[in-house]
Amino acid sequence: AQSVAQPEDQVNVAEGNPLTVKCTYSVSGNPYLFWYVQYPNRGLQFLLKYITGDNLVKGSYGFEAEFNKSQTSFHLKKPSALVSDSALYFCAVRDDSSASKIIFGSGTRLSIRP
Amino acid sequence: EAGVTQSPTHLIKTRGQQATLRCSPISGHTSVYWYQQALGLGLQFLLWYDEGEERNRGNFPPRFSGRQFPNYSSELNVNALELEDSALYLCASSPGTGFQPQHFGDGTRLSIL
Repeated sequence: AQSVAQPEDQVNVAEGNPLTVKCTYSVSGNPYLFWYVQYPNRGLQFLLKYITGDNLVKGSYGFEAEFNKSQTSFHLKKPSALVSDSALYFCAVRDDSSASKIIFGSGTRLSIRP
Repeated sequence: EAGVTQSPTHLIKTRGQQATLRCSPISGHTSVYWYQQALGLGLQFLLWYDEGEERNRGNFPPRFSGRQFPNYSSELNVNALELEDSALYLCASSPGTGFQPQHFGDGTRLSIL
C-alpha cells in the first residue's frame, strides 16, 4: 500500500532564509510525486512534480524539490522565503499502476515571519 | 482556459438531508476526483471517475456516491447527512488516468446543522 508522511505540522521561517518542507513516501512500484500549495478558502495549486529524470525538480514561485530514492524522500525547498509563501503545503504520491489513486500527506503549515 | 468549477460555493443542510455537489472539469480532462477536507485537516480521497467509470473509491460509507456524465462533469451525492460530514469538498481534474497533476476547484463548503 502506498503512503506519504509530512512529519512537521508547522514550519516557521524568517523572510529571506531558506526553507524546507519535508515529505517521505512509500510505494510498491515507481513513485510519481507532487507538491501542492493551498491558500485560505481556496483549492490546491500544483507546484511541481517528479516523474522520472533529474532528482532536482524546479517548480512554480521559485520552489524546488529533491527526489532521494534511497531515503524515499521528496523535500520541498526554496532558497529565500517570502511572506507570501505562507500557506498550507501538501505532498502527494501515487505509484505507476493504472488504477492507483493519489495519496496526499496531512499537510504542513508554512509560516514566514517578516 | 477555464479552471475547474464547483457549485455551489456554500451549502447548508440539516442532519438526515441529502446534498448534491457539482463539478465541471477543465476542458479536455477526462478524470475527475473528489476529496473531503475537514477543518484544519488533510485531504481524504473519496472517488475517482474517468471516462464515465468509477476507477477507485476511498474508505467512505456507501451514502457517499457520485457519477460522471458524458461531458465529463461530475456530481457527488451525500445521503443521510451527519454532523461530521461538515467539510470542504474539493473536486480536481486531470487528463487521462491520473499520471499528470490534478487541477483543483475552490471547493464546496458543506455545513450540517
